[in-house]
Amino acid sequence: SQQGEEDPQALSIQEGENATMNCSYKTSINNLQWYRQNSGRGLVHLILIRSNEREKHSGRLRVTLDTSKKSSSLLITASRAADTASYFCATVPGGGNKLTFGTGTQLKVEL
Amino acid sequence: DAGITQSPRHKVTETGTPVTLRCHQTENHRYMYWYRQDPGHGLRLIHYSYGVKDTDKGEVSDGYSVSRSKTEDFLLTLESATSSQTSVYFCAISETGQESGYTFGSGTRLTVV
Repeated sequence: SQQGEEDPQALSIQEGENATMNCSYKTSINNLQWYRQNSGRGLVHLILIRSNEREKHSGRLRVTLDTSKKSSSLLITASRAADTASYFCATVPGGGNKLTFGTGTQLKVEL
Repeated sequence: DAGITQSPRHKVTETGTPVTLRCHQTENHRYMYWYRQDPGHGLRLIHYSYGVKDTDKGEVSDGYSVSRSKTEDFLLTLESATSSQTSVYFCAISETGQESGYTFGSGTRLTVV
């Protein structure tokens, strides 16, 4: 079964707008990671946030983590057409050493 | 992707035949993983390795076996392919398994007819 569930499943926005994706998970975690997958390609690691962190930034990406609610959000600011991709959250359970992925959010950024 | 390659990239095989997919890394990472990706399911872990000859099962391991005789190579074998194993298979590597992001290969698209 999936550890993480992303919401929404699909998101369509205009270039320049912000995109927000949410992830919920079920068990305690060591860290939570976000990945991007362009069509027909492998996954690319975007950002990792540890369980004792609440917010992290990387360029146009902002990730928040609320361990009390077992949820995370990924914000992409000033989106570009090149951001069109599927985005996955993934968690490493406490004491574990393998990633469990959610089902992903398909983001489409239109010109 | 840099440091990790999968072969073949595409394969069509018949039901009941054995199939082996290869993952090769040049990063000397300890951990290697095999995932499959299917619509509506995201990525699901098949098997993983935490060292040479050290492997363990993942969420969907039935019908699959793995071997790791060298640090750089991790093989996934479908002993007798079935149509339900039609999927895209991804290999991933990680230095620590916990505290670092994973690097993924480009995937192998397997079709079982």
